[in-house]
Amino acid sequence: QLRLQESGPGLLKPSETLSLTCSVSSASISSNSYLWGWIRQTPGKGLQWIGNIYYSGNTYYNPSLKSRVTISVDTSKNQFSLRLTSVTATDTALYYCASGTILITDDAFNTWGQGTMVTVSS
Amino acid sequence: SYELTQPPSVSVSPGQTARITCSADAVSNQYAYWYQQKPGQAPVLAIYKDTERVSGIPERFSGSRSGTTVTLTIDGVQAEDEADYYCQSPDSSGTYVIFGGGTKLTVL
Repeated sequence: QLRLQESGPGLLKPSETLSLTCSVSSASISSNSYLWGWIRQTPGKGLQWIGNIYYSGNTYYNPSLKSRVTISVDTSKNQFSLRLTSVTATDTALYYCASGTILITDDAFNTWGQGTMVTVSS
Repeated sequence: SYELTQPPSVSVSPGQTARITCSADAVSNQYAYWYQQKPGQAPVLAIYKDTERVSGIPERFSGSRSGTTVTLTIDGVQAEDEADYYCQSPDSSGTYVIFGGGTKLTVL
């Protein structure tokens, strides 16, 4: 069963760059069966999609974050990563990595990591 | 911009039927998906492609569509169903992922 685990710093200062990694187990990051994505959730609030990356390398980002976001894949480590530049307090959130089995559940995320809390504070 | 609108809250008594709607502000031929999120846990996919129930999700959960509105129905609600529910759909171009604002289901 595919499993995901987020990792990265939990505390950042304003203007710094957020870098998170999602380790994938029991599936190949290079497989054309999956989509890989990042979603965040402000405490007590709803879900906000950040972006997706596909086996082809194609990426799609939330237009509201596009200028600051990069999602990439490291096939040697079977991981995918999120980079968000110039963070502010409004980027404080619980960050999830997630995946979807395209041929079965289409564009849905059917596997989620446990989430990692990122706080932006001076 | 494309938006999905959900009621902030729905309350039902145990054994009753809960219906949670998700309305798109534009016509779209994209599928919708439903997630259940309990406190302190990651979301769990419950329904995909409007009506398909994920393996392991109780049969009392079902999805339907009427025009630009999709509905998650829970028949015979149980206390364990108390959670936040989110709909998701691509925008009309199929490019971007959109989440509804979420609905808190309270079992009275």
